[in-house]
Amino acid sequence: DAGVIQSPRHEVTEMGQEVTLRCKPISGHDYLFWYRQTMMQGLELLVYFNNKAVMDDSGMPKDRFSAKMPNASFSTLKIQPSEPRDSAVYFCASSLARGGVYFGPGTRLTVT
Amino acid sequence: AQSVTQLDSHVSVSEGTPVLLRCNYSSSYSPSLFWYVQHPNKGLQLLLKYTSAATLVKGINGFEAEFKKSETSFHLTKPSAHMSDAAEYFCVVSSSNDYKLSFGAGTTVTVRA
Repeated sequence: DAGVIQSPRHEVTEMGQEVTLRCKPISGHDYLFWYRQTMMQGLELLVYFNNKAVMDDSGMPKDRFSAKMPNASFSTLKIQPSEPRDSAVYFCASSLARGGVYFGPGTRLTVT
Repeated sequence: AQSVTQLDSHVSVSEGTPVLLRCNYSSSYSPSLFWYVQHPNKGLQLLLKYTSAATLVKGINGFEAEFKKSETSFHLTKPSAHMSDAAEYFCVVSSSNDYKLSFGAGTTVTVRA
């Protein structure tokens, strides 16, 4: 199995630009999570989906962040407009029912 | 509500000696517990998980953890540390009523030659 796939692995952008992060979960997994990791805050859950439906997005700044899962094998996290404080590593993860949660390699976002 | 406390922010051991990483949890519902490892500039790798089966859980790379409900603990151990074990380790809890993972602050492990 290829594991969770994320793209791009690195993204550098200027403040105010739109950023789109992409994720392909492990085939057959019905839960998908987006986390953000920073030195100051550690790992934070932004949003998670079950069977493509948003279950909880309370951790996501909704004025600038949006998450979608148009099909079972693809999800996006969009930031518009981006700000320097959004600089972080963004992880996508997936799981099956009560099994372990498997993380992708992450996207390192730098907003200048 | 659920939370995790990792009792040590940093652990330093000599190669070949045992490793103990301590974790206490709180959960309103039957918890699932996990340990993850993160090597520098890498993603998180699942070491092991407890989901209400055997209380002693064996994971990858020689790690194991014991679930003790009376002590609300889920400590991670390895009998003999290897240089490649140097990394950050996260204890994680989720409750049976939702799938949110609550992460501990992490324990950084240093292995001395």
